Amino acid sequence: EIVLTQSPGTLSLSPGERATLSCRASQTVSSNYLAWYQQRPGQAPRLLIYGVSSRATGIPDRFSGSGSGTDFILTISRLEPEDFAVYHCQQYGSPPNTFGQGTKLEIK
Amino acid sequence: ELQLVESGGGLVQPGGSLRLSCSASGFTFSTYPMHWVRQTPGKGLQYVSAITNSGDKTYYADSVKGRFTISRDNSKNTLYLQMSSLTTEDTAVYYCVKRTVTTNPYYDFWGQGTLVTVSS
Repeated sequence: EIVLTQSPGTLSLSPGERATLSCRASQTVSSNYLAWYQQRPGQAPRLLIYGVSSRATGIPDRFSGSGSGTDFILTISRLEPEDFAVYHCQQYGSPPNTFGQGTKLEIK
Repeated sequence: ELQLVESGGGLVQPGGSLRLSCSASGFTFSTYPMHWVRQTPGKGLQYVSAITNSGDKTYYADSVKGRFTISRDNSKNTLYLQMSSLTTEDTAVYYCVKRTVTTNPYYDFWGQGTLVTVSS
């Protein structure tokens, strides 16, 4: 199965700053089937990005995804207070679907 | 409004059984494949099982194959996960997840989850 490694494990930033989160796959992600989810404390994951770079319905344009092959990035251009959460990447191109271990974005 | 509401979690002894349910509303349930995904502090999010929209095909992670059974009742808009021979490794929050029907098969909505604790 494809192993996804997210870095950093924890990212400490201030509101208004730019966040760059990485997700690296152990093999090429088929068809660029790579998604990002946001999870706030006590809540379920929420879809942000699918197909590497397509924003889900209702997701602000400060969230963007990029990458291909084995290396993917989630960028949050200007952090808002509600953006501090855990972010998970997922590949769904090769069964079984697998997830990264998550990046915690915390307020500095 | 789209909703997925899980129930049936709780405390169970090792070797025991439990059945989770997920009640769906706000969309045409019978159209969509559905999945179960679990989350633990140590291993993060982990795919557990999947079922086609009609229920004719089911899929399982290796870690639960032979112990868990996924099913659905489209007349009741409900997804199930029958879990047996539970071990402490199965302790997790279990999420019911809706998958898209497009050629891009991502998870577009998650329920709030139900906690399963396997402990003596």
